[in-house]
Amino acid sequence: AQRVTQPEKLLSVFKGAPVELKCNYSYSGSPELFWYVQYSRQRLQLLLRHISRESIKGFTADLNKGETSFHLKKPFAQEEDSAMYYCALLGGGYNKLIFGAGTRLAVHP
Amino acid sequence: DTAVSQTPKYLVTQMGNDKSIKCEQNLGHDTMYWYKQDSKKFLKIMFSYNNKELIINETVPNRFSPKSPDKAHLNLHINSLELGDSAVYFCASSQESYFQETQYFGPGTRLLVL
Repeated sequence: AQRVTQPEKLLSVFKGAPVELKCNYSYSGSPELFWYVQYSRQRLQLLLRHISRESIKGFTADLNKGETSFHLKKPFAQEEDSAMYYCALLGGGYNKLIFGAGTRLAVHP
Repeated sequence: DTAVSQTPKYLVTQMGNDKSIKCEQNLGHDTMYWYKQDSKKFLKIMFSYNNKELIINETVPNRFSPKSPDKAHLNLHINSLELGDSAVYFCASSQESYFQETQYFGPGTRLLVL
């Protein structure tokens, strides 16, 4: 079964602390994984996708096929990073995105 | 110059009513989607259309009926609204339906059923 698991509902850190938002997936084929971000009451925006290997707003994510993980990391959190983060897997053909439950990141001053 | 737009932004209505949410994209994309975000912020795909043809139809009550008059529009009509339909509904679009294209999301429509 295709599934995305984000085990943490809430991650609370202080400004300047490192951040790691966990994402594990279950998929039989070669996965295509994304991180989307939703700032307060705003639309979802693509943060990054593993195929492009970019670093956006200081965030990176590495696909680990052995651990079936795609954790999102940032070395120094900023208050403006506070948002809801969704890990998503492209599966089942037809560009169907399967989302994890989301992790709320709260960065405190 | 909004890429994916939805109307209305907010919708408050009584149980049993019928309502529609509209979505338009000006990106020239071929594929559009509807997602539901529930009160726990869980996001799930409902439907997808490619060039006006339904290609994804998840397990959604048949009170929900998508309609695509052209490839730039995908509307969602909901009959006999129930309390559990209260959620934020997001429209999205992508260039292709099968080639792992990035999806661009609309601002969402907050539906509250009383």
